[in-house]
Amino acid sequence: NAGVMQNPRHLVRRRGQEARLRCSPMKGHSHVYWYRQLPEEGLKFMVYLQKENIIDESGMPKERFSAEFPKEGPSILRIQQVVRGDSAAYFCASNPPGTGSYNEQFFGPGTRLTVL
Amino acid sequence: SQKIEQNSEALNIQEGKTATLTCNYTNYSPAYLQWYRQDPGRGPVFLLLIRENEKEKRKERLKVTFDTTLKQSLFHITASQPADSATYLCALDIGGYQKVTFGTGTKLQVIP
Repeated sequence: NAGVMQNPRHLVRRRGQEARLRCSPMKGHSHVYWYRQLPEEGLKFMVYLQKENIIDESGMPKERFSAEFPKEGPSILRIQQVVRGDSAAYFCASNPPGTGSYNEQFFGPGTRLTVL
Repeated sequence: SQKIEQNSEALNIQEGKTATLTCNYTNYSPAYLQWYRQDPGRGPVFLLLIRENEKEKRKERLKVTFDTTLKQSLFHITASQPADSATYLCALDIGGYQKVTFGTGTKLQVIP
Protein backbone atom coordinates (compact mmCIF):
# COMPACT_ATOMS: atom_id res chain seq x y z
CA ASN A 1 0.00 0.00 0.00
CA ALA A 2 1.74 3.14 -1.19
CA GLY A 3 1.89 6.01 1.21
CA VAL A 4 0.69 9.55 0.63
CA MET A 5 2.18 10.85 -2.58
CA GLN A 6 2.86 14.45 -3.43
CA ASN A 7 4.17 15.95 -6.61
CA PRO A 8 6.13 17.71 -7.62
CA ARG A 9 8.64 17.39 -4.81
CA HIS A 10 10.24 20.68 -5.78
CA LEU A 11 8.59 23.51 -7.65
CA VAL A 12 10.14 26.78 -8.73
CA ARG A 13 7.94 29.64 -9.85
CA ARG A 14 8.49 33.27 -10.66
CA ARG A 15 6.42 35.93 -8.98
CA GLY A 16 2.99 36.17 -10.55
CA GLN A 17 2.88 32.61 -11.85
CA GLU A 18 0.56 29.88 -10.65
CA ALA A 19 1.60 26.91 -8.55
CA ARG A 20 -0.32 23.63 -8.52
CA LEU A 21 0.51 21.08 -5.86
CA ARG A 22 -0.90 17.57 -6.02
CA CYS A 23 -1.61 15.08 -3.30
CA SER A 24 -2.74 11.48 -3.68
CA PRO A 25 -3.89 10.15 -0.30
CA MET A 26 -3.32 6.61 0.84
CA LYS A 27 -5.63 4.05 -0.66
CA GLY A 28 -8.94 4.03 1.17
CA HIS A 29 -8.38 7.42 2.78
CA SER A 30 -11.04 10.02 2.15
CA HIS A 31 -9.79 12.84 4.38
CA VAL A 32 -7.06 15.17 3.17
CA TYR A 33 -5.34 17.95 5.08
CA TRP A 34 -2.93 20.55 3.73
CA TYR A 35 -0.28 22.22 5.88
CA ARG A 36 2.36 24.84 5.23
CA GLN A 37 5.72 24.86 6.94
CA LEU A 38 8.01 27.85 6.85
CA PRO A 39 11.68 27.51 7.84
CA GLU A 40 12.03 27.29 11.62
CA GLU A 41 8.28 27.38 12.05
CA GLY A 42 5.71 24.77 12.86
CA LEU A 43 3.22 23.18 10.55
CA LYS A 44 0.32 25.51 9.94
CA PHE A 45 -3.05 24.04 9.11
CA MET A 46 -4.49 25.33 5.86
CA VAL A 47 -7.48 23.26 4.78
CA TYR A 48 -9.33 20.02 5.47
CA LEU A 49 -11.17 18.30 2.65
CA GLN A 50 -13.21 15.22 2.08
CA LYS A 51 -14.16 13.93 -1.34
CA GLU A 52 -15.77 16.82 -3.24
CA ASN A 53 -16.18 18.87 -0.05
CA ILE A 54 -14.18 21.53 1.73
CA ILE A 55 -14.80 20.91 5.42
CA ASP A 56 -12.59 23.60 6.95
CA GLU A 57 -10.54 26.20 5.10
CA SER A 58 -10.01 28.51 8.04
CA GLY A 59 -6.23 28.31 7.75
CA MET A 60 -6.07 29.23 4.11
CA PRO A 61 -5.48 32.82 2.93
CA LYS A 62 -8.66 34.24 1.48
CA GLU A 63 -7.06 35.34 -1.73
CA ARG A 64 -4.97 33.49 -4.30
CA PHE A 65 -5.25 30.11 -2.54
CA SER A 66 -7.75 27.39 -3.33
CA ALA A 67 -8.01 23.65 -2.77
CA GLU A 68 -10.08 20.85 -4.14
CA PHE A 69 -10.45 17.11 -3.72
CA PRO A 70 -12.48 15.80 -6.65
CA LYS A 71 -14.34 12.53 -6.78
CA GLU A 72 -11.62 11.14 -9.01
CA GLY A 73 -7.99 12.11 -8.92
CA PRO A 74 -5.67 13.79 -6.46
CA SER A 75 -6.29 16.73 -4.22
CA ILE A 76 -4.96 19.99 -5.65
CA LEU A 77 -3.69 23.02 -3.78
CA ARG A 78 -3.57 25.95 -6.13
CA ILE A 79 -1.75 29.21 -5.52
CA GLN A 80 -2.35 31.97 -8.02
CA GLN A 81 -0.02 34.90 -8.63
CA VAL A 82 2.62 33.59 -6.27
CA VAL A 83 4.71 35.96 -4.19
CA ARG A 84 8.03 35.39 -2.44
CA GLY A 85 6.26 34.91 0.86
CA ASP A 86 4.60 31.78 -0.52
CA SER A 87 7.96 30.00 -0.54
CA ALA A 88 7.58 27.14 1.91
CA ALA A 89 7.17 23.39 2.23
CA TYR A 90 3.59 22.27 1.69
CA PHE A 91 2.57 18.99 3.24
CA CYS A 92 -0.47 16.91 2.61
CA ALA A 93 -1.79 14.35 5.09
CA SER A 94 -4.62 11.85 4.94
CA ASN A 95 -6.58 9.48 7.12
CA PRO A 96 -9.43 7.04 6.69
CA PRO A 97 -13.20 7.61 6.80
CA GLY A 98 -14.59 7.79 10.30
CA THR A 99 -11.50 9.51 11.68
CA GLY A 100 -10.42 13.10 12.04
CA SER A 101 -7.25 15.03 12.59
CA TYR A 102 -7.36 13.88 16.19
CA ASN A 103 -6.39 10.48 14.86
CA GLU A 104 -3.10 9.59 13.26
CA GLN A 105 -2.46 11.49 10.08
CA PHE A 106 -0.27 10.02 7.36
CA PHE A 107 1.91 12.66 5.79
CA GLY A 108 3.37 12.88 2.33
CA PRO A 109 6.97 13.94 1.64
CA GLY A 110 5.96 17.51 0.89
CA THR A 111 6.36 19.92 -2.01
CA ARG A 112 9.00 22.58 -1.62
CA LEU A 113 7.89 25.71 -3.39
CA THR A 114 10.44 28.37 -4.21
CA VAL A 115 9.27 31.67 -5.62
CA LEU A 116 11.95 33.68 -7.39
CA SER B 1 -6.22 31.11 21.17
CA GLN B 2 -4.38 27.94 22.02
CA LYS B 3 -0.60 28.22 21.94
CA ILE B 4 1.93 25.43 21.98
CA GLU B 5 5.43 25.85 23.27
CA GLN B 6 8.24 23.49 22.54
CA ASN B 7 11.83 24.20 23.37
CA SER B 8 13.22 25.73 20.22
CA GLU B 9 16.77 25.03 21.27
CA ALA B 10 18.26 21.78 20.12
CA LEU B 11 18.66 19.05 22.67
CA ASN B 12 21.98 17.20 22.59
CA ILE B 13 22.19 13.95 24.47
CA GLN B 14 24.65 11.12 24.81
CA GLU B 15 23.77 7.77 23.27
CA GLY B 16 22.16 5.44 25.78
CA LYS B 17 20.71 8.21 27.93
CA THR B 18 17.06 9.15 28.20
CA ALA B 19 15.95 12.13 26.14
CA THR B 20 13.08 14.18 27.55
CA LEU B 21 11.24 16.70 25.39
CA THR B 22 8.63 19.13 26.65
CA CYS B 23 5.40 20.41 25.16
CA ASN B 24 3.53 23.13 27.02
CA TYR B 25 0.23 24.63 26.06
CA THR B 26 -1.82 27.59 27.17
CA ASN B 27 -5.50 27.98 27.72
CA TYR B 28 -7.79 25.00 27.74
CA SER B 29 -6.67 21.41 27.95
CA PRO B 30 -6.93 19.47 24.74
CA ALA B 31 -8.85 16.23 24.52
CA TYR B 32 -5.79 14.54 23.10
CA LEU B 33 -2.18 15.25 22.25
CA GLN B 34 -0.03 13.69 19.57
CA TRP B 35 3.70 13.37 19.01
CA TYR B 36 5.30 13.17 15.59
CA ARG B 37 8.84 12.75 14.34
CA GLN B 38 10.15 14.73 11.38
CA ASP B 39 13.42 14.12 9.58
CA PRO B 40 15.00 16.79 7.35
CA GLY B 41 13.28 17.05 3.99
CA ARG B 42 10.50 14.65 4.97
CA GLY B 43 6.95 14.72 6.23
CA PRO B 44 6.12 14.08 9.88
CA VAL B 45 5.57 10.53 11.05
CA PHE B 46 3.06 9.76 13.79
CA LEU B 47 4.47 8.25 16.97
CA LEU B 48 1.97 8.34 19.82
CA LEU B 49 -1.37 9.77 20.85
CA ILE B 50 -2.42 10.32 24.45
CA ARG B 51 -5.89 11.31 25.61
CA GLU B 52 -6.74 13.70 28.42
CA ASN B 53 -7.86 10.88 30.70
CA GLU B 54 -4.58 9.01 30.22
CA LYS B 55 -1.61 9.87 32.38
CA GLU B 56 0.94 7.90 30.47
CA LYS B 57 1.38 5.97 27.24
CA ARG B 58 4.23 3.72 26.15
CA LYS B 59 5.42 2.29 22.90
CA GLU B 60 8.70 0.39 22.86
CA ARG B 61 11.37 2.90 23.98
CA LEU B 62 8.94 5.82 23.87
CA LYS B 63 6.89 7.16 26.74
CA VAL B 64 4.51 10.10 26.78
CA THR B 65 2.96 11.72 29.83
CA PHE B 66 0.12 14.21 29.96
CA ASP B 67 -0.40 16.50 32.94
CA THR B 68 -3.49 18.64 32.52
CA THR B 69 -2.75 20.52 35.75
CA LEU B 70 0.64 21.65 34.52
CA LYS B 71 -0.66 21.91 30.94
CA GLN B 72 2.28 19.90 29.82
CA SER B 73 3.25 16.74 27.98
CA LEU B 74 6.63 15.08 28.30
CA PHE B 75 8.05 12.83 25.63
CA HIS B 76 10.77 10.39 26.67
CA ILE B 77 13.06 8.26 24.57
CA THR B 78 14.93 5.73 26.68
CA ALA B 79 18.24 4.17 25.64
CA SER B 80 18.55 6.81 22.94
CA GLN B 81 20.36 5.99 19.70
CA PRO B 82 21.88 8.20 17.00
CA ALA B 83 19.02 7.06 14.74
CA ASP B 84 16.64 8.87 17.09
CA SER B 85 18.12 12.20 15.97
CA ALA B 86 15.29 14.17 14.42
CA THR B 87 12.84 16.96 15.16
CA TYR B 88 9.93 15.99 17.39
CA LEU B 89 6.63 17.80 17.08
CA CYS B 90 3.72 17.82 19.43
CA ALA B 91 0.24 18.50 18.14
CA LEU B 92 -3.05 19.02 19.87
CA ASP B 93 -6.63 19.90 19.14
CA ILE B 94 -7.63 23.50 19.47
CA GLY B 95 -11.16 23.26 20.70
CA GLY B 96 -12.61 19.90 19.87
CA TYR B 97 -12.93 20.61 16.20
CA GLN B 98 -11.39 18.28 13.66
CA LYS B 99 -8.21 20.28 13.45
CA VAL B 100 -4.88 20.04 15.20
CA THR B 101 -2.21 22.62 15.67
CA PHE B 102 1.47 21.75 15.75
CA GLY B 103 4.29 23.08 17.84
CA THR B 104 7.49 24.28 16.20
CA GLY B 105 9.30 21.14 17.31
CA THR B 106 12.43 20.35 19.25
CA LYS B 107 15.49 19.09 17.44
CA LEU B 108 17.10 16.13 19.16
CA GLN B 109 20.69 15.16 18.46
CA VAL B 110 21.93 11.88 19.94
CA ILE B 111 25.70 11.83 20.10
CA PRO B 112 27.48 8.48 19.74
